[in-house]
Amino acid sequence: SQKIEQNSEALNIQEGKTATLTCNYTNYSPAYLQWYRQDPGRGPVFLLLIRENEKEKRKERLKVTFDTTLKQSLFHITASQPADSATYLCALPYGGSQGNLIFGKGTKLSVKP
Amino acid sequence: DAGVIQSPRHEVTEMGQEVTLRCKLISGHNSLFWYRQTMMRGLELLIYFNNNVPIDDSGMPEDRFSAKMPNASFSTLKIQPSEPRDSAVYFCASRRSGGFTDTQYFGPGTRLTVL
Repeated sequence: SQKIEQNSEALNIQEGKTATLTCNYTNYSPAYLQWYRQDPGRGPVFLLLIRENEKEKRKERLKVTFDTTLKQSLFHITASQPADSATYLCALPYGGSQGNLIFGKGTKLSVKP
Repeated sequence: DAGVIQSPRHEVTEMGQEVTLRCKLISGHNSLFWYRQTMMRGLELLIYFNNNVPIDDSGMPEDRFSAKMPNASFSTLKIQPSEPRDSAVYFCASRRSGGFTDTQYFGPGTRLTVL
């Protein structure tokens, strides 16, 4: 069956450093991958989408890579700030064109000042 | 433009009671997803509607759970009877189907505690 793993439950880094989060998947060839941010007490919020034919996507301080050979996506936050502290979830589509997403369990990022 | 609206935000009930969670979609969206989130299992899809029709309910845990979409903008998730293991945060999300990206917009969630 399809499986998504975000292999760090928590990541602690110092302000100003680059945070790198990992999302691995198996038994699957997704057409795209999404990253969401979730703050405590709130629902996930969409950040970025990267398609299978794109190697890299950037949005301000965020960068996402997608390696379909390794079946892995990396999510980078450069010049991290305490305000970046949140849980980050990766999500992959399944069910053909129906639009269902399967989510990883997330990585909780803490950026210390 | 208001986002996805869920009510109540918090619900505490006793085992055996009926619980009804409510969700209002973003205007113009036609797909609705109900999720349950726990520390152990993460975010799990319970049921998905498209144009008011249930498409995939394979994630509904058991017959105690039911979901309806009486109109294009509103949905309910009912648990009857509730059990302590149903305690979780329940999210609904909406989407405008037909696009390639399938981005979902989540509500703030309902934190359910069953004693």
